[in-house]
Amino acid sequence: DIVMTQSPLSLPVTLGQPASISCRSSQSLVNREGITYLNWFHQRPGQSPRRLIYKVSNRDSGVPDRFSGSGSGTAFTLKISRVEAEDVGVYYCMQHIYGGTFGQGTKLEIK
Amino acid sequence: EVQLVESGGDLVQPGGSLRLSCAASGFTFTDYWMSWVRQAPGKGLEWVANINHDGSAKYYADSMKGRFTIARDNAKNSLYLQMNSLRGEDTALYFCAREGGLGYWGQGTLVTVSS
Repeated sequence: DIVMTQSPLSLPVTLGQPASISCRSSQSLVNREGITYLNWFHQRPGQSPRRLIYKVSNRDSGVPDRFSGSGSGTAFTLKISRVEAEDVGVYYCMQHIYGGTFGQGTKLEIK
Repeated sequence: EVQLVESGGDLVQPGGSLRLSCAASGFTFTDYWMSWVRQAPGKGLEWVANINHDGSAKYYADSMKGRFTIARDNAKNSLYLQMNSLRGEDTALYFCAREGGLGYWGQGTLVTVSS
């Protein structure tokens, strides 16, 4: 099974400051066609998760451009250029090249 | 508008069975893989299973293989999860999601396994 490891697990951030979350996979997430199946999700308390980024760096419709995804192979990063109050919650990375696996989640809070 | 509405969650005794349903609308159901994801109270997300467009390919998390069965009825635009031999650790909110990449999610249905 592929293991997804996120860091940090807790991320206190000042409003307006940048934030970054790392995600590492135990195996490459690149398939034979060169597509990398790594997505990022955001879950606010009491709500269903929402996908932010698919295939490493593609923002979903309606996702603010302050969110960006990058990485390759087994190492990936989600960056928020300037944190806003609505960004609080838990962020998850997820691989779906072989079934699916989520990272442990990173809880973002405002300092 | 894409809508996914789960149902069927309930309180069930250990060893019991339950069938969850997900009604899909707002998109061409047969164009997409479909998935189930769960979340135990206060815990993170756990991928459960997914199924391809016509139901000919199904994949499961190791901890659910042999106990859970994913299925779909394309004529009814519906996704199902049959859960057998339920355990306390299966207590969770179960989400239906569109695609292997989980682009859209339902609100979830709560399964509680307890005596």
